[in-house]
Amino acid sequence: GQNIDQPTEMTATEGAIVQINCTYQTSGFNGLFWYQQHAGEAPTFLSYNVLDGLEEKGRFSSFLSRSKGYSYLLLKELQMKDSASYLCAVRDNQGGKLIFGQGTELSVKP
Amino acid sequence: DSGVTQTPKHLITATGQRVTLRCSPRSGDLSVYWYQQSLDQGLQFLIQYYNGEERAKGNILERFSAQQFPDLHSELNLSSLELGDSALYFCASSAGQGGSPLHFGNGTRLTVT
Repeated sequence: GQNIDQPTEMTATEGAIVQINCTYQTSGFNGLFWYQQHAGEAPTFLSYNVLDGLEEKGRFSSFLSRSKGYSYLLLKELQMKDSASYLCAVRDNQGGKLIFGQGTELSVKP
Repeated sequence: DSGVTQTPKHLITATGQRVTLRCSPRSGDLSVYWYQQSLDQGLQFLIQYYNGEERAKGNILERFSAQQFPDLHSELNLSSLELGDSALYFCASSAGQGGSPLHFGNGTRLTVT
């Protein structure tokens, strides 16, 4: 089975940096994805990691350690519009579906 | 715009009824996935189709069924509806496995009264 853990809520200040952690235990692993979801809207793809290390994409970076079952999403130069839920998801090796964590609700304050 | 189209956007119906949710994947994507998101809940995987064939099944209730048609659009059928079935139902599509992300439609908000 799959178990994915991430903090329920986080608060940060506009302009700051925030790190959202995700730990996972899976019976199969074929990549880790991060999504952003604003309330009532569709999740949108942010990043993908399958090898250990850091992937950088503008203000967003994502890190993976497969041996530790650990990932984080780093958001720099926070903006008010970054207030959203951030979802960590693992792709298994059977068919390609994603299993999602419960999401981390990030509030960015002025 | 993800390119995934879901209809209808909203659906209000009574307990015991049956509804059909429709999804058109992005052009070229062969895989379609259905997810349920209840209030304060994460995205729960229901079922996946690949090129018309069922590929994977999650915790989908026996009252729920789905299919993918030759033109690759998919339908999710929910029957004998209960109050607890009220949720956002998302469809997503992808080009394949590996690094291909899932692209989500805007969802169908189902309210059972």
